Amino acid sequence: DQQVKQNSPSLSVQEGRISILNCDYTNSMFDYFLWYKKYPAEGPTFLISISSIKDKNEDGRFTVFLNKSAKHLSLHIVPSQPGDSAVYFCAANPSGTYKYIFGTGTRLKVLA
Amino acid sequence: DGGITQSPKYLFRKEGQNVTLSCEQNLNHDAMYWYRQDPGQGLRLIYYSQIVNDFQKGDIAEGYSVSREKKESFPLTVTSAQKNPTAFYLCASRRQGTSYEQYFGPGTRLTVT
Repeated sequence: DQQVKQNSPSLSVQEGRISILNCDYTNSMFDYFLWYKKYPAEGPTFLISISSIKDKNEDGRFTVFLNKSAKHLSLHIVPSQPGDSAVYFCAANPSGTYKYIFGTGTRLKVLA
Repeated sequence: DGGITQSPKYLFRKEGQNVTLSCEQNLNHDAMYWYRQDPGQGLRLIYYSQIVNDFQKGDIAEGYSVSREKKESFPLTVTSAQKNPTAFYLCASRRQGTSYEQYFGPGTRLTVT
């Protein structure tokens, strides 16, 4: 039972355009959400997070939107750069726990 | 620089042998984690530890064992009971409290033949 789903395995975007990566979840007890970026054969690096009490968080070119009623979050990257090409994972942290549930990832390719 | 180290980067073992993967952090984090990544799948939690001398099973603990004798160290042993041990293993840590991100090590690629 996949509690955190990233339904698009891959996404290609032109350099300079917006990249939108999506993530859906099923558990209403998740209260903290995170996005990680991962290059092959390396550990993931933290990008941005959002608490369930917010609906938007912005950090430079990265913005995360949370729609709790739809149990959906998205990561917007504007403008996209070739160096953004990587696999992006969303993760959710259930309230009061130290566990994180990860999605299966979306491979983003930014075309120069 | 503070961070998480995992060694070695690549590890090769024969089937039937136990193998221990190293994870050390100097971030003074209380919680540490082990994940496994397989192609096309997300990160699956093997074990995690919130404090020294305490750890909990994750979603796929069968065939694995851990210890947490020191705050800085959380070694993972892949036993011969693990049916599909070949994978990319990631260690992570985070500080105590709620709503914090995890920091990941560089990973160890284990190949068992």
